[in-house]
Amino acid sequence: EAQVTQNPRYLITVTGKKLTVTCSQNMNHEYMSWYRQDPGLGLRQIYYSMNVEVTDKGDVPEGYKVSRKEKRNFPLILESPSPNQTSLYFCASRRTGKETQYFGPGTRLLVL
Amino acid sequence: QKEVEQNSGPLSVPEGAIASLNCTYSDRGSQSFFWYRQYSGKSPELIMFIYSNGDKEDGRFTAQLNKASQYVSLLIRDSQPSDSATYLCAVAGPPGGSYIPTFGRGTSLIVHP
Repeated sequence: EAQVTQNPRYLITVTGKKLTVTCSQNMNHEYMSWYRQDPGLGLRQIYYSMNVEVTDKGDVPEGYKVSRKEKRNFPLILESPSPNQTSLYFCASRRTGKETQYFGPGTRLLVL
Repeated sequence: QKEVEQNSGPLSVPEGAIASLNCTYSDRGSQSFFWYRQYSGKSPELIMFIYSNGDKEDGRFTAQLNKASQYVSLLIRDSQPSDSATYLCAVAGPPGGSYIPTFGRGTSLIVHP
């Protein structure tokens, strides 16, 4: 089944404790991205990647890191999480040249 | 700052009616326009995209684009309770290329029996 998976789905952590949210897709898509969704603010793009080893900042990259060492994986790293990073995070992928962007199921993060 | 504006709603329509969802955008350079549906607690799902002025129909859904007025709309004919969701409008650059889509905050639609 074609899908985008994220882990963990739910995470409670404390300020400053490094964490990684994994994202994997099995559709051989070149383009992958991370979004956060907050009430009243909508979906905002954090980082995106056009292909392996090619990443770029989205609208709200501060406090986040990403890497794209393999085509299927695009982890999101929070080196020192803060409470303002409490949010719902979505990973997405699409094939270059195609419009349909497939979203993962989301990761709900709470930073205390 | 690129902005995409949507009325947050909720928009309430009776079953079988036409639901009309509207979106305006600030960046005149936008070339790609998308409508996503997001059920509560779920991830967004693309339902329509449009690039050219005019209408694009897909089943019960029609997307309308007016670049001069910087206005995009989504019409849902014969609305069903299963259409109850939040609808996100998104705009981006050239079709198919690298882009950073800008999303609106979404309009909540309630279709009541």
